Amino acid sequence: GIQVEQSPPDLILQEGANSTLRCNFSDSVNNLQWFHQNPWGQLINLFYIPSGTKQNGRLSATTVATERYSLLYISSSQTTDSGVYFCAGANPMDSSYKLIFGSGTRLLVRP
Amino acid sequence: EPEVTQTPSHQVTQMGQEVILRCVPISNHLYFYWYRQILGQKVEFLVSFYNNEISEKSEIFDDQFSVERPDGSNFTLKIRSTKLEDSAMYFCASSPRGQGTYEQYFGPGTRLTVT
Repeated sequence: GIQVEQSPPDLILQEGANSTLRCNFSDSVNNLQWFHQNPWGQLINLFYIPSGTKQNGRLSATTVATERYSLLYISSSQTTDSGVYFCAGANPMDSSYKLIFGSGTRLLVRP
Repeated sequence: EPEVTQTPSHQVTQMGQEVILRCVPISNHLYFYWYRQILGQKVEFLVSFYNNEISEKSEIFDDQFSVERPDGSNFTLKIRSTKLEDSAMYFCASSPRGQGTYEQYFGPGTRLTVT
C-alpha cells in the first residue's frame, strides 16, 4: 500500500516565525488532505488539495502530484497553531478511496 | 455549513461490554468511513460503507466490529466485546464523491476508554 512520510516529525517555533511542513507519498495519490489536530483531539480539515496551490489566511498548501509531495506553509505562526499536522491521501486505484495518514508533524509555537 | 456530528464525545466502558458509537454524516453524502487513532499514533482506516454495505475493511475491523446505517441518517460503529486495546479516538467521515470532489469530512471524534 501507499506509504506517507511527513517531515519534520517535530518542530518548535517562536511566535511570528514561518514554517514549511512536507508530505511525501510512495505512489500517486488523489484526495490529498491536510489536517490540524487540536489539543482536544479533533481533526480540523485545513485543505483538500489533490493538486495546485490554495491559501487560507496565514496557511497555504501546494501539491505537486507528478512528484508525489505536498507542502503546508504556516506564516507568522501563533501559539494557537500548536498541535499535530497530518497529511493524508488516497490511492486512485483503491475503490473505497480510504485515506492513508502520515505520522504527523508535532508543532509547538512558543510565545 | 453542514458538518459531521458524533456522539458521545467521550465514552468509558468496561472490558467485555458492547459499545455503539454514533455518527450523523452530511445529508447528501454517499460514502461513509470510520477511522481510529490510538493515543499518540497516526489515524488508521477501519471501514468504508457505500450503498448500505461495507465496501472495504481493514485488518483491524474483525468480527468484533460492525457498522450499520439503521435509518438513512445515522451511521453507527458497534464493538461487541470491548478490549483494552480498543481504547482510542474514533472518527467518522463522509464524502460526496463523484460530485466534483473526493474530500472527506471528519466528525469531532468519540474518545473511547476501555477499563
